[in-house]
Amino acid sequence: GENVEQHPSTLSVQEGDSAVIKCTYSDSASNYFPWYKQELGKRPQLIIDIRSNVGEKKDQRIAVTLNKTAKHFSLHITETQPEDSAVYFCAATTTNFGNEKLTFGTGTRLTIIP
Amino acid sequence: NAGVTQTPKFQVLKTGQSMTLQCAQDMNHEYMSWYRQDPGMGLRLIHYSVGAGITDQGEVPNGYNVSRSTTEDFPLRLLSAAPSQTSVYFCASSRINYGYTFGSGTRLTVV
Repeated sequence: GENVEQHPSTLSVQEGDSAVIKCTYSDSASNYFPWYKQELGKRPQLIIDIRSNVGEKKDQRIAVTLNKTAKHFSLHITETQPEDSAVYFCAATTTNFGNEKLTFGTGTRLTIIP
Repeated sequence: NAGVTQTPKFQVLKTGQSMTLQCAQDMNHEYMSWYRQDPGMGLRLIHYSVGAGITDQGEVPNGYNVSRSTTEDFPLRLLSAAPSQTSVYFCASSRINYGYTFGSGTRLTVV
């Protein structure tokens, strides 16, 4: 089955600096890669996603890149703000004949230092 | 449009008791799933369903049952609760190969 590794497990950055979280996956059939943000005590929420036919996607201060050959994808947050502090999860989805399996990474706790 | 509704929000069970966690969505999503979240373990898939009448096991299915009689509902049953099942449980739904919408979670403690 799919295995998703996520690094680092914790990350602290100064407010205004950039943060990068990296994930690798094992199943070359994975074709959809969402990122979720989970604030303390709340549910995970989708913040950005990328499909396997796209190399990069951007939404305001966040961007995701995908390297299918190397099987890794990354989340980039620029001009970080205190409200970016949360746990971030990457995930990889494999879809076969309408059957879908999504595997999460173990999460990165991002702390923005004011 | 309520999204994904999960009940209860909190539950305390005694070892050996059974219970059902309810999950309902009103977005006509084909895909529904249950995850448990433990500190340092991320989100682990318990069971999932790609449509009414179809369910399959995830990574950690032991001790749990599911059924999907309608598109909207996907209850999770704990057969005989054990302390190892103390966790936060999330239900999620989506269209196939799209991002998930999560419920608000159930914090379960088994004593």
